[in-house]
Amino acid sequence: AQSVAQPEDQVNVAEGNPLTVKCTYSVSGNPYLFWYVQYPNRGLQFLLKYITGDNLVKGSYGFEAEFNKSQTSFHLKKPSALVSDSALYFCAVRVYSGNTPLVFGKGTRLSVIA
Amino acid sequence: NAGVTQTPKFQVLKTGQSMTLQCAQDMNHEYMSWYRQDPGMGLRLIHYSVGAGITDQGEVPNGYNVSRSTTEDFPLRLLSAAPSQTSVYFCASSYSEIRGYTFGSGTRLTVV
Repeated sequence: AQSVAQPEDQVNVAEGNPLTVKCTYSVSGNPYLFWYVQYPNRGLQFLLKYITGDNLVKGSYGFEAEFNKSQTSFHLKKPSALVSDSALYFCAVRVYSGNTPLVFGKGTRLSVIA
Repeated sequence: NAGVTQTPKFQVLKTGQSMTLQCAQDMNHEYMSWYRQDPGMGLRLIHYSVGAGITDQGEVPNGYNVSRSTTEDFPLRLLSAAPSQTSVYFCASSYSEIRGYTFGSGTRLTVV
């Protein structure tokens, strides 16, 4: 069965500084990896995904993520954080084989301080 | 507008009552899922479907039933509500395995 770990419940970063939100995964097979963001009292919004190809993927709002197969990681990054980036971030994985569901991590709350 | 529609947005139930959370999408998506979100627990998968007539259990299926008679609709039934089912419920759909999910706006359920 696939699983996702987000080791940090909370990440604090100053506005203008780079940010990283960590994600590691465990699957039997090749993974499809996703990042979502949730703003207060809203549903989840898709940010970016890794399916195959280039290990560095770029997504919405200036976010990017790097797939590292040897470390089974898919960390979310942004070069310069904005206060408006403050939200709850979820990493998710599904397996490239058959009809498997999307499994989420527990989420990391990002707080960008002005 | 195209998307995933969940109704109701808010619901209060008494212990033992039953109800159905509705989910509909107009994007012709084959994949649909129900998640519940609880503080510190992230999103946990309740049930999912890979097409009309096909459903399967997720991580926390007990106390919930689903059916998928059409591509568009994926209702979630609470058989006998319990306080432990107090949560925010999200329905999501996807066109294929490599596409991201589109989420509904959620149903906030309180069981007293």
